[in-house]
Amino acid sequence: QKEVEQDPGPLSVPEGAIVSLNCTYSNSAFQYFMWYRQYSRKGPELLMYTYSSGNKEDGRFTAQVDKSSKYISLFIRDSQPSDSATYLCAITSGGSYIPTFGRGTSLIVHP
Amino acid sequence: ETGVTQTPRHLVMGMTNKKSLKCEQHLGHNAMYWYKQSAKKPLELMFVYNFKEQTENNSVPSRFSPECPNSSHLFLHLHTLQPEDSALYLCASSQTDSSGNTIYFGEGSWLTVV
Repeated sequence: QKEVEQDPGPLSVPEGAIVSLNCTYSNSAFQYFMWYRQYSRKGPELLMYTYSSGNKEDGRFTAQVDKSSKYISLFIRDSQPSDSATYLCAITSGGSYIPTFGRGTSLIVHP
Repeated sequence: ETGVTQTPRHLVMGMTNKKSLKCEQHLGHNAMYWYKQSAKKPLELMFVYNFKEQTENNSVPSRFSPECPNSSHLFLHLHTLQPEDSALYLCASSQTDSSGNTIYFGEGSWLTVV
């Protein structure tokens, strides 16, 4: 079992939809969670990070962590065509500073 | 502007050439990373430097040779590459003593080996 699992998609939604992107992880030592957005032919850009269970909101984006289920989510409200990108989750544990990345989910928001 | 600058952005090289990728970070971080990203594949960690010392070498072939002269600069020297080495090479940096070690990426160098 991979340490971080993420469905590669693609996930195709209409403009204005609420998008849910998810990762599961196996290592209970993981305690710091990040989401990156990567546009085609660009480097990943940090979107949000959190280290606690519960929700963290930033504009149209909400990061949710459920440590008991080892499940993290990124919600995008009122999705826009400009949100079309690949979204990667990344997780670090207390024992290693090197993050483990999911393989990324490709999101397509069509007008 | 991410604070991590990579040059060149695009590179085409023959299998017998020698070239180098350069990365500079302006964030005052102590750790720097090289990742490889191939089409439809996950990010692959190649090398990690922490305070100029190499701490990770993820079984990378010797045709890739990293160099880290200081905490702000990182190079990847390339020689006798193969066509399957064509990929996006990403440099990143982080401050390892900060909470969670959030890493920041550059825009990447697109490498095509012909």
